[in-house]
Amino acid sequence: KAGVTQTPRYLIKTRGQQVTLSCSPISGHRSVSWYQQTPGQGLQFLFEYFSETQRNKGNFPGRFSGRQFSNSRSEMNVSTLELGDSALYLCASSLPRGPKNIQYFGAGTRLSVL
Amino acid sequence: QKEVEQDPGPLSVPEGAIVSLNCTYSNSAFQYFMWYRQYSRKGPELLMYTYSSGNKEDGRFTAQVDKSSKYISLFIRDSQPSDSATYLCAMSERDSSYKLIFGSGTRLLVRP
Repeated sequence: KAGVTQTPRYLIKTRGQQVTLSCSPISGHRSVSWYQQTPGQGLQFLFEYFSETQRNKGNFPGRFSGRQFSNSRSEMNVSTLELGDSALYLCASSLPRGPKNIQYFGAGTRLSVL
Repeated sequence: QKEVEQDPGPLSVPEGAIVSLNCTYSNSAFQYFMWYRQYSRKGPELLMYTYSSGNKEDGRFTAQVDKSSKYISLFIRDSQPSDSATYLCAMSERDSSYKLIFGSGTRLLVRP
């Protein structure tokens, strides 16, 4: 069974641009969570989607948004990029039944903002 | 102050040593405790999942939770060079919670 797939693996953008990251969860998983990982702050929860609805949101500005499609694939968008948005963005999915806090992570998208 | 504190290391040990990794936390509502391993250029991989206080063993790994002290540990016995990675502790209040609170991670290097 394929794991969580994130594309692209690497991105380089400049300040003020916007970016879209993609995540395909493990087959059969319907919940997708996004995290930002930086050396200073570690992993921080961005938001979680289930059945195309955002159910939980972390403490990030409105420039960070996301959506989920009917096939459970999810995208995350960051508008008006800032230098501080440089990070590894991780996507995780959870089993449809059982503990929701057991999450399986993808390899991440490393975003560099110049 | 962060909800979860973890020494960033790096921690360097010789092969075969017993490794002790630790996290402290401030939120007494945390009931579920996890340890993830993250290799360079990879996503975190779940190693251990525990509920409330006590010990849980899985092969060379033992997770220990002391809720009274708000302190959790991961022990690695007979450490191997392949154990070299960053180890992240994570916590949540409920098993229905998708929001995990992570420590900053400890870098471990096991020298051959």
